[in-house]
Amino acid sequence: ELKVEQNPLFLSMQEGKNYTIYCNYSTTSDRLYWYRQDPGKSLESLFVLLSNGAVKQEGRLMASLDTKARLSTLHITAAVHDLSATYFCAVDDSNYQLIWGAGTKLIIKP
Amino acid sequence: DTEVTQTPKHLVMGMTNKKSLKCEQHMGHRAMYWYKQKAKKPPELMFVYSYEKLSINESVPSRFSPECPNSSLLNLHLHALQPEDSALYLCASSQDSGTGGRYYGYTFGSGTRLTVV
Repeated sequence: ELKVEQNPLFLSMQEGKNYTIYCNYSTTSDRLYWYRQDPGKSLESLFVLLSNGAVKQEGRLMASLDTKARLSTLHITAAVHDLSATYFCAVDDSNYQLIWGAGTKLIIKP
Repeated sequence: DTEVTQTPKHLVMGMTNKKSLKCEQHMGHRAMYWYKQKAKKPPELMFVYSYEKLSINESVPSRFSPECPNSSLLNLHLHALQPEDSALYLCASSQDSGTGGRYYGYTFGSGTRLTVV
């Protein structure tokens, strides 16, 4: 059974700092997704990572995928308050369904 | 049009009511999904329609009844719900439920906040 673990589950940080959210998964998969969710809102797609070594960047966010280590990271550079949200990673299982991490609640203090 | 549109945005219903949630996309996606999300939890898959046929039902109680009238529309009919069914209901779509979905990802609607009283 595919399991997805995110850590940390909660992160409070100051503006201007850098930090990384980690997403580990338990079985072979080469498709990983990162989503952002604001309170009471829907899920916004951030990154689709399709192959080993994939790296994508959008603004202050950068995501990478290491399929051999079964690890993806979401790196935040020089955080700003607007990035406060809950971030989910999700992995495709063999039945083309998404298996979700528990989410990381990120609070960025001015 | 790159959106998935859900209506209504908010719904309050009694336990004896019958209501429906609606979802529409015009991206030519052939797979559509219903998810349920409780507060502070990840989404839980309920149903998957692929090419307008129900392909996955994740052991959802029969008080939830999905319907896919055509390739652009997805409904979720609600009847005799319980207070614990209160949640955010999300619709999503993808190119298809196989390779396409995996390569291009999934687009989520804005959700319906359902409260059962």
